[in-house]
Amino acid sequence: QKEVEQDPGPLSVPEGAIVSLNCTYSNSAFQYFMWYRQYSRKGPELLMYTYSSGNKEDGRFTAQVDKSSKYISLFIRDSQPSDSATYLCAMSPNAGGTSYGKLTFGQGTILTVHP
Amino acid sequence: DTEVTQTPKHLVMGMTNKKSLKCEQHMGHRAMYWYKQKAKKPPELMFVYSYEKLSINESVPSRFSPECPNSSLLNLHLHALQPEDSALYLCASSQVVGNEQFFGPGTRLTVL
Repeated sequence: QKEVEQDPGPLSVPEGAIVSLNCTYSNSAFQYFMWYRQYSRKGPELLMYTYSSGNKEDGRFTAQVDKSSKYISLFIRDSQPSDSATYLCAMSPNAGGTSYGKLTFGQGTILTVHP
Repeated sequence: DTEVTQTPKHLVMGMTNKKSLKCEQHMGHRAMYWYKQKAKKPPELMFVYSYEKLSINESVPSRFSPECPNSSLLNLHLHALQPEDSALYLCASSQVVGNEQFFGPGTRLTVL
């Protein structure tokens, strides 16, 4: 079983829809949670960065972390064709230990928003 | 300046060639990373530098040799690569190890 599970999709939605992307994880040491967006043949772009449980909002994007369920989500409101990309969740443990600073990625979800 | 830059954008090399990839950031970050990404897969960590010292080597073959000449610059020297090493090579940086990482655009490497 992978440490981080992410449904690869593909996910296809109409413009204006609310998109929900999710990851589950098994390592209870993970404390930092990130979402990256990656366009084809480009580097990943950091969208959201959260520490521990809770919600964080930035424009059309909302990240949620539920550590009790080991589940994180990214919501995209009013989705646009320009949101079409691969979305990667990533997480890392707290300070201390040899894995500190190492990101563990999900497999990525391919999203297409059609006009 | 909030960018990580990488050169070259594309590189084609033979198995006997020696080449280098370059990464630069001017955000004052003290942690820099090399990742390898194959098609339709997430990035895989190769090396971590913290305050210009190698802190993590993910058992990468010796044909990949990282170098951090100063706090803004990170190189990856390539020698005697194999065709299966063809991939997108990504550089990232963070303020210190453990903070959020910012990625460059990558170098697309093809080994013939």
